[in-house]
Amino acid sequence: GDSVTQMEGPVTLSEEAFLTINCTYTATGYPSLFWYVQYPGEGLQLLLKATKADDKGSNKGFEATYRKETTSFHLEKGSVQVSDSAVYFCAFPVIGSARQLTFGSGTQLTVLP
Amino acid sequence: GAGVSQSPSNKVTEKGKDVELRCDPISGHTALYWYRQSLGQGLEFLIYFQGNSAPDKSGLPSDRFSAERTGGSVSTLTIQRTQQEDSAVYLCASSVNSNTEAFFGQGTRLTVV
Repeated sequence: GDSVTQMEGPVTLSEEAFLTINCTYTATGYPSLFWYVQYPGEGLQLLLKATKADDKGSNKGFEATYRKETTSFHLEKGSVQVSDSAVYFCAFPVIGSARQLTFGSGTQLTVLP
Repeated sequence: GAGVSQSPSNKVTEKGKDVELRCDPISGHTALYWYRQSLGQGLEFLIYFQGNSAPDKSGLPSDRFSAERTGGSVSTLTIQRTQQEDSAVYLCASSVNSNTEAFFGQGTRLTVV
């Protein structure tokens, strides 16, 4: 069935380090793909998205490319900041009896000064 | 409205009591989702509405949980005979349709004592 597998955390990095959070999916067809972020004490918010294969979503220095051949949507940032500390969720709408939005398990990122 | 609104923001209830959680989605959004986020856990899908219909209720954890949506807008999640394991943050989200990004409310933090 359709599913999303996300790299487990927690991930701890020093400021200015390179970040990769892996996300792979199993889907029927080619749905839109999303990364959501949850900052401490706040609600979930969309970070970036890609609507079709080879699209690159980007926002706040984060990037993710929709890779059809590897069914992946890995999140990357070249130089993380302390303010990037949050939980990151990969998600996509699952085609089944209805299109529910399915999330990965979330990856806790802590960036140390 | 400008965003997804959930009420109450916090609810403390005694074990065995019934509770109702309310979600006001963004105007014009046909898709509405309920999720549960337990402490230290990822997002657990509960139910998805397309308009007033709920094509997939498979995420509801037991028959004590029910939800409805009226007028293609407001949704209510009802938990009967609450148990301590129901304690969690209940998140509501809406989207224009099931293949676009979902916008989340701030959630209702439910504590069953």
